[in-house]
Amino acid sequence: SQQGEEDPQALSIQEGENATMNCSYKTSINNLQWYRQNSGRGLVHLILIRSNEREKHSGRLRVTLDTSKKSSSLLITASRAADTASYFCATGVKNTGNQFYFGTGTSLTVIP
Amino acid sequence: SAVISQKPSRDICQRGTSLTIQCQVDSQVTMMFWYRQQPGQSLTLIATANQGSEATYESGFVIDKFPISRPNLTFSTLTVSNMSPEDSSIYLCSALTGTVYQETQYFGPGTRLLVL
Repeated sequence: SQQGEEDPQALSIQEGENATMNCSYKTSINNLQWYRQNSGRGLVHLILIRSNEREKHSGRLRVTLDTSKKSSSLLITASRAADTASYFCATGVKNTGNQFYFGTGTSLTVIP
Repeated sequence: SAVISQKPSRDICQRGTSLTIQCQVDSQVTMMFWYRQQPGQSLTLIATANQGSEATYESGFVIDKFPISRPNLTFSTLTVSNMSPEDSSIYLCSALTGTVYQETQYFGPGTRLLVL
């Protein structure tokens, strides 16, 4: 399977703390994207990092990519209760015609 | 960006029947995809909807079970045929926009299907 894996599967933190989620994948990629999904809702695109980039920031989000280890991390700083959601990484795999494969997801709970 | 709508948003169907889900994008996009998401699970890619030609299916998914149409660059349908309770899931369509190596997927709100 080309699906990636994320850890932890579930994470519970206090509001104001930082949350770190990791994603590992198996094949060479064009880019990697992180998505958020609130319970029972659609997916929201958060950030994209290209295969030749190592780090990217967007607001309170920081994404790193290590292609040698085939891994990425998503850091959410100063978390808020509204950040409670499931977070998925999706890899744009080379030579597959732009298909994206999703990781298993991390369920984040931010306690007010 | 792209705004995507799906119809129906949810449905309850009887075993053995078929349901067609519609996906409309507010702008022309090169690529559209269909995913399935079981409750509490990640997304599994069903197929790539190709405009003007047959869809490209992922391993484990076949055209007879999930026929897909894409008559133009803004619209696609997915049919779940001869349904069984195992087909109960959320079905999502997505559209790909952006430049090479910076393509971004935008998702529809999903169609919740329950098969009895």
